[in-house]
Amino acid sequence: AQSVTQLGSHVSVSEGALVLLRCNYSSSVPPYLFWYVQYPNQGLQLLLKYTSAATLVKGINGFEAEFKKSETSFHLTKPSAHMSDAAEYFCAVIGGTSYGKLTFGQGTILTVHP
Amino acid sequence: SQTIHQWPATLVQPVGSPLSLECTVEGTSNPNLYWYRQAAGRGLQLLFYSVGIGQISSEVPQNLSASRPQDRQFILSSKKLLLSDSGFYLCAWKQAPRTDTQYFGPGTRLTVL
Repeated sequence: AQSVTQLGSHVSVSEGALVLLRCNYSSSVPPYLFWYVQYPNQGLQLLLKYTSAATLVKGINGFEAEFKKSETSFHLTKPSAHMSDAAEYFCAVIGGTSYGKLTFGQGTILTVHP
Repeated sequence: SQTIHQWPATLVQPVGSPLSLECTVEGTSNPNLYWYRQAAGRGLQLLFYSVGIGQISSEVPQNLSASRPQDRQFILSSKKLLLSDSGFYLCAWKQAPRTDTQYFGPGTRLTVL
């Protein structure tokens, strides 16, 4: 079985500041890991994914995440926050099931202040 | 390119009424299809998934059912809605069997009063 823990249900940063959203996972098999973003009343949009290739993964909108097996972490970062980054972010894991069941974290709401 | 549609976008229904939400995918064939529910304070929960026409697997016992009458059509239903069925319902697809990424539709906001 797999699980995901997102540390911090709310994160607030100033525009131009570093964004760091934390995600720790648990999986009995080598995981595939994902970050999705959700704007209000919209579906989830894929930001980036880790599928056992490079451990530093670059995604859309300037986001990136680093897979650290020793820490079972997959934290999402962006060097400089923009007002348009304000949204809810979900970390998710697939733990090897053939049908691809995604297990999501509880989400982190990112607020960006001017 | 592939697109996924959901309708209706919003729905307000009385307790005890029936429900039918529809999801269709374009631009692909034989996808895996998924229904998720996002309820306030409860994150995203997988409800059903389907690997082919007429093949439905339920993840959580509940008041809902799902059907897949066509390859790219996935329907979520209920005979009698409960207050606890309120939430944001998301349909997703992925290209089976080897790909890993699920792509989500725009969602349906269901309010049961």
